[in-house]
Amino acid sequence: DAMVIQNPRYQVTQFGKPVTLSCSQTLNHNVMYWYQQKSSQAPKLLFHYYDKDFNNEADTPDNFQSRRPNTSFCFLDIRSPGLGDAAMYLCATSSLRGAGAEQFFGPGTRLTVL
Amino acid sequence: AQKVTQAQTEISVVEKEDVTLDCVYETRDTTYYLFWYKQPPSGELVFLIRRNSFDEQNEISGRYSWNFQKSTSSFNFTITASQVVDSAVYFCALSEPTGNQFYFGTGTSLTVIP
Repeated sequence: DAMVIQNPRYQVTQFGKPVTLSCSQTLNHNVMYWYQQKSSQAPKLLFHYYDKDFNNEADTPDNFQSRRPNTSFCFLDIRSPGLGDAAMYLCATSSLRGAGAEQFFGPGTRLTVL
Repeated sequence: AQKVTQAQTEISVVEKEDVTLDCVYETRDTTYYLFWYKQPPSGELVFLIRRNSFDEQNEISGRYSWNFQKSTSSFNFTITASQVVDSAVYFCALSEPTGNQFYFGTGTSLTVIP
């Protein structure tokens, strides 16, 4: 089945130690998104790629970076994780950018920062 | 300003009861899209429905139904004869033509008690 895959499902890192989360998709969608979701809150968009075009949300901290080496893969790099970065990180894809495009979500990676 | 409001933070119902989840949105655009997603404990956001602003017809899909009323800026979701498997957090979201993101509500946590 076509899907959005996130690895690992659970990630533990230490304060200040860089960590990379990965997302892959078999849907061949042009757009890939990264969301941060803290406990009992709505998902918050960090950035998205439209093909290779990177779009950062204005309030996304510089500590968060992303790479998209090809259509299928997208990575979220947290350069120096703080305790406040502990959250669920959701990857999503859509075939179109903009209104009306359904987003398909992966299962998420739950990040713990010690 | 909050674009999507889900006033009900938590709801508990007994199995087989009907339950309605409220969603109120705010937008100045005449064209927009509304979504409902389900997030079970596993974490993955599952798409339930998309509705565009020009289609006010109510929709029914099995035990699920949606009531879209532009006059009150509401897009409510009803589950008929609830089941334990319906226990999840449900998010309402708005997408506008000018943006690339979903504006998620804060979610309603539904617990169906056997």
